[in-house]
Amino acid sequence: DGGITQSPKYLFRKEGQNVTLSCEQNLNHDAMYWYRQDPGQGLRLIYYSQIVNDFQKGDIAEGYSVSREKKESFPLTVTSAQKNPTAFYLCASTILQGSNQPQHFGDGTRLSIL
Amino acid sequence: QKEVEQDPGPLSVPEGAIVSLNCTYSNSAFQYFMWYRQYSRKGPELLMYTYSSGNKEDGRFTAQVDKSSKYISLFIRDSQPSDSATYLCAGDSGNTPLVFGKGTRLSVIA
Repeated sequence: DGGITQSPKYLFRKEGQNVTLSCEQNLNHDAMYWYRQDPGQGLRLIYYSQIVNDFQKGDIAEGYSVSREKKESFPLTVTSAQKNPTAFYLCASTILQGSNQPQHFGDGTRLSIL
Repeated sequence: QKEVEQDPGPLSVPEGAIVSLNCTYSNSAFQYFMWYRQYSRKGPELLMYTYSSGNKEDGRFTAQVDKSSKYISLFIRDSQPSDSATYLCAGDSGNTPLVFGKGTRLSVIA
């Protein structure tokens, strides 16, 4: 069954700690995306990657970092520099950026501060 | 001005009603438009996908695009309590990632 798997479903961060959210897809998609969703804010783009070993900042990249070492994986690290990390984080993918194909989403990770 | 504007609601309707959800956009480069449905604590799922102007129907759902007025709509006929969710519209220019509206929260009351 093809899809996007995000883990963990819930994550708690202590002050000053970096945490990493996992996103894995088996759809053979080249492009992957990370969004942050806050109540009443819709989806805000954090980072995206069009191909392995390449990624671009989105609208709210400060305090976050990513890597794209494998086609299937696009982990997001929420660093201690992100002062308000409590949110619902969504990972998405599409076959190719610019292909006019819709994005498919995982079921999200909810991050909270301890 | 945000590229895609969407009334956040909440919108509450009785079961069986026709629901109209709307978005406006400002980017003339948008060629493709999508509607996603998001249940609480879940990721968005693609509901409708349309190209340029016109209508597209899928069961109880109809998506409508009017490029001349930069207006996109989603109609839900015979609404059911299971339609209660947040509905997100999105525009795609092809060159950059999708641009999403903030979502409209819909409640269908039995």
